[in-house]
Amino acid sequence: KNEVEQSPQNLTAQEGEFITINCSYSVGISALHWLQQHPGGGIVSLFMLSSGKKKHGRLIATINIQEKHSSLHITASHPRDSAVYICAVRSYNTDKLIFGTGTRLQVFP
Amino acid sequence: SQTIHQWPATLVQPVGSPLSLECTVEGTSNPNLYWYRQAAGRGLQLLFYSVGIGQISSEVPQNLSASRPQDRQFILSSKKLLLSDSGFYLCAWTTGAGNTEAFFGQGTRLTVV
Repeated sequence: KNEVEQSPQNLTAQEGEFITINCSYSVGISALHWLQQHPGGGIVSLFMLSSGKKKHGRLIATINIQEKHSSLHITASHPRDSAVYICAVRSYNTDKLIFGTGTRLQVFP
Repeated sequence: SQTIHQWPATLVQPVGSPLSLECTVEGTSNPNLYWYRQAAGRGLQLLFYSVGIGQISSEVPQNLSASRPQDRQFILSSKKLLLSDSGFYLCAWTTGAGNTEAFFGQGTRLTVV
């Protein structure tokens, strides 16, 4: 079992829909990152969370430390949001970054 | 400002040829450096981890090696590439411990033919 699990693996949506991507982890963490990877491969850091909730534009990220769970929400989705969204945690014990397998999102007009 | 440079962006190499991918970091000292690989349809897998010059931890046995000749330079190498080495290679760094930012290179897409 992977230490970081994401769901769903693939997600399709119509433009304007509200989207939720989930991340569960099994290790103690000092931080959780949400990343965006476009088809060219480059990775962009969206959020770093250690508690609570963060918002940036149409993106919202939440984390529940007790339940070891985080969600990434996209409001009013747009085709340009189409990408792979990756959850990564920084292990409290080893200080290493551990990545989830990603969620492939396609938003259709 | 804190940033990371990784090159080249794409690379096509024949089987049996050597490999050298380089990653350099700016705007910090003594970073933790990482090399990851993403095979087609898979998640990012940690290959090597370094906490200082000359200190390399290998996560999985493979055809690759890593070196850290300077504090902010991390190199991924192979003496003879295999077809299975094809994939997307990503360099990353973190500084300090705990809830500090992580920075990611643009990645290198390697195709071994």
